[in-house]
Amino acid sequence: QQQVKQSPQSLIVQKGGISIINCAYENTAFDYFPWYQQFPGKGPALLIAIRPDVSEKKEGRFTISFNKSAKQFSLHIMDSQPGDSATYFCAASIGYGNKLVFGAGTILRVKS
Amino acid sequence: DGGITQSPKYLFRKEGQNVTLSCEQNLNHDAMYWYRQDPGQGLRLIYYSQIVNDFQKGDIAEGYSVSREKKESFPLTVTSAQKNPTAFYLCASSAPGLLNTGELFFGEGSRLTVL
Repeated sequence: QQQVKQSPQSLIVQKGGISIINCAYENTAFDYFPWYQQFPGKGPALLIAIRPDVSEKKEGRFTISFNKSAKQFSLHIMDSQPGDSATYFCAASIGYGNKLVFGAGTILRVKS
Repeated sequence: DGGITQSPKYLFRKEGQNVTLSCEQNLNHDAMYWYRQDPGQGLRLIYYSQIVNDFQKGDIAEGYSVSREKKESFPLTVTSAQKNPTAFYLCASSAPGLLNTGELFFGEGSRLTVL
């Protein structure tokens, strides 16, 4: 039972373009939505996170957009760079300190 | 430097053998987790522990066992009962109580291959 559905599975973007990764969740009790970035052979690291009381959060070139009524959230990477090439995971949990449910991941490749 | 250390990084095992993956943290975190990563399936929770001497099954605990005798250590044993053990295993921890921002801190993973 996949509670967080992530798409696309893979994505190729030209350098300078916008990368967009989407996630949809089912459990309306989820109230914490992080994105993790993973480089090959490494563990994931927190990139950016949002709570449902805001519709958007921006940190540098990375923006989370959140649509509570549609139960969807997305990651936008502006001015994508080759160094952004990695696997990105969305996730959700009920509060902090509780089990995170991860999406299946998106492999992003930024072509120079 | 503070962080999570997993060992070994690569491990090969014959069918029918048990193998133990090590996870040590010096972040003074109470909670520790084991995830399994397979291509196209994301991260799936195997076991987690909120405090010493206590742990709970995650979503895919069958064929795995853990112990939490010390705050710093949370080893995972992949037993011969695990039908498809070849995978990338990730250990993580999170800060306790009011210090918890929801962030999981991951190790660099252990890749297990069953021959």
